[in-house]
Parts: sequence; structure tokens; C-alpha cells
Amino acid sequence: AQSVTQLGSHVSVSEGALVLLRCNYSSSVPPYLFWYVQYPNQGLQLLLKYTSAATLVKGINGFEAEFKKSETSFHLTKPSAHMSDAAEYFCAVSEGTGANNLFFGTGTRLTVIP
Amino acid sequence: DTGVSQNPRHKITKRGQNVTFRCDPISEHNRLYWYRQTLGQGPEFLTYFQNEAQLEKSRLLSDRFSAERPKGSFSTLEIQRTEQGDSAMYLCASSLIKGAEQYFGPGTRLTVT
Repeated sequence: AQSVTQLGSHVSVSEGALVLLRCNYSSSVPPYLFWYVQYPNQGLQLLLKYTSAATLVKGINGFEAEFKKSETSFHLTKPSAHMSDAAEYFCAVSEGTGANNLFFGTGTRLTVIP
Repeated sequence: DTGVSQNPRHKITKRGQNVTFRCDPISEHNRLYWYRQTLGQGPEFLTYFQNEAQLEKSRLLSDRFSAERPKGSFSTLEIQRTEQGDSAMYLCASSLIKGAEQYFGPGTRLTVT
């Protein structure tokens, strides 16, 4: 069975500071991992994905994530936060090519302080 | 490239009424998913289609819920005899192949009064 744990339901950073959003997963098979962003009253937008290729994945808007199998983690980072990064971020896991659906974490709300 | 669209964006209904939502996936995507998202939670899987076939349903999908995807194009999600607990954002997503990233629509926010 798959599951995702996102540590920290709320994260606040200053504009220009490092963004670190944590995600740990559980999967009985090699997983595919995703980060999505959700702005208020909108759907989810894909930031990046890991599908068993390079362990360091670069996404849109300057975000990247590193897959660490030994730690079962897929943390999201961005070197310098912008005001426009304020949103809800969701980590999700699937069973790779066998996947019928995604399992999402409970989300982390990112606040950027000017 | 037209993304996933959903209609209506908002629906307010009284308890006991039936509601129907529509999802139009990205045109070449043969897999379509429905999720439900409640306040403060991540999306939870409800059901998915490959072309016109509904291949999996979550235990969250009670008998009052029914989904269709005639001709493998758009999909509808109907909730009969709505309850206050049905209030949520209903998200539709589509993907090209099994296991690939899913592209989400803007969602339909249902409020049951």
C-alpha cells in the first residue's frame, strides 16, 4: 500500500530564503513521486515528477526535489522564495507503471513573508 | 493545448437534491480520474476510467455516487440525495498512459446546505 506523510502543515519563509517542504512516502513497489501546487480555489498544477530516472529532479518555477530511497523521502526545495510561491503544496505517490491512482499527502501551506 | 475543464465551478444545493458535474479531459488522454478534496486535506481517489470503461472505484464512492464516460470522451459524476458530508471540491484529472502524470482541472466546489 502507498502513503505519503508531509511534515509541517504550515511553513513560513522570508522572501529570498530557502524553501524546504518535506515528504516521506511508503510504497511496496518502486514508486513514482510527484509534487503538485494548488493556488486558492484552483486545481492542482504539476511541479515535478520522479519516475525512476535521475534522482534529482528539476521542475517548474525553480523548484527541485531529490529522491532518497534509503530515507524514503522526496523533499521539495527552492533556493530563493518569491511572494508568488505562496500556495498549498501536495506530495503524491503512485505505483509507477502499475498505478491506477495517486495517493496524496495532507499538504503544506507555504507562506512567504516580505 | 486545452487543459482539463470542469463545469460548473461552483454548485450550491439543498440536502436531498441530485447534482451532476462534468469533466472534459485533455483530448488525447484516454485515462480519466475523479478525486474529492475536503478542507485541509489532500485529494482522495474516487474512481477512474480507461476510455469508456470504469475500471476501479474507491470505497469512498458510495451507492449514491455514479460516474460515466460515454464514448471515452467527457465524464459526468452524479451524486444522488446529497448529504452535508458531500460538501467538498470534486477534482477531475486525465493522463495519457498508465502511471503517467495526471493533469487536473480547476475543480467543482459543492456546498450542500
